[in-house]
Amino acid sequence: GAVVSQHPSRVICKSGTSVKIECRSLDFQATTMFWYRQFPKKSLMLMATSNEGSKATYEQGVEKDKFLINHASLTLSTLTVTSAHPEDSSFYICSARVATTQTFNEQFFGPGTRLTVL
Amino acid sequence: AQSVTQLGSHVSVSEGALVLLRCNYSSSVPPYLFWYVQYPNQGLQLLLKYTSAATLVKGINGFEAEFKKSETSFHLTKPSAHMSDAAEYFCAVIRKGNNNDMRFGAGTRLTVKP
Repeated sequence: GAVVSQHPSRVICKSGTSVKIECRSLDFQATTMFWYRQFPKKSLMLMATSNEGSKATYEQGVEKDKFLINHASLTLSTLTVTSAHPEDSSFYICSARVATTQTFNEQFFGPGTRLTVL
Repeated sequence: AQSVTQLGSHVSVSEGALVLLRCNYSSSVPPYLFWYVQYPNQGLQLLLKYTSAATLVKGINGFEAEFKKSETSFHLTKPSAHMSDAAEYFCAVIRKGNNNDMRFGAGTRLTVKP
């Protein structure tokens, strides 16, 4: 159980175009999804927290107009990189948190999306 | 604020040797701590987690970690390294608060020599 998928797994695009990445919780409902960015040989950096039906909360230094996040349902969140540039090339990973009443709610991670901007 | 520090960005061991990956946390309240493994170009796989239950936590693939409050540590160990253990390992903590989001350490790359 608790599987999270991401689509696409890999995408190459031209500079100036927009790219949409989907994150889905396949067998559970996730009230909260998180988006991380990982540079080569680096750790995961939290970009934003997305709660279903409300606006995402962005971490300091993350441009909300560049990284558009939508969490329209309990099983789907999308990250759109607008007007992508080579410096946006990175590994993007999402995670989803199970909606329970427990104090501790585990996060489950997607397999990641490799974005390359030419 | 809760955070974790991983000591040593790269650890190299021989096959069959003890694996010890270090993680220290800073938290003013009892933390929830995790160890994840990441293979190249893949997502994260949970190895084990500490959620205020037993201080010695056993995970998958023979890994275990011990929560030591006196040392603010949560080091990951495995008695005998296998070649397939070569990967990147991340220690993480849940920041208790409005979002209870997860913060990661810088990561430790484990190399296993034959």
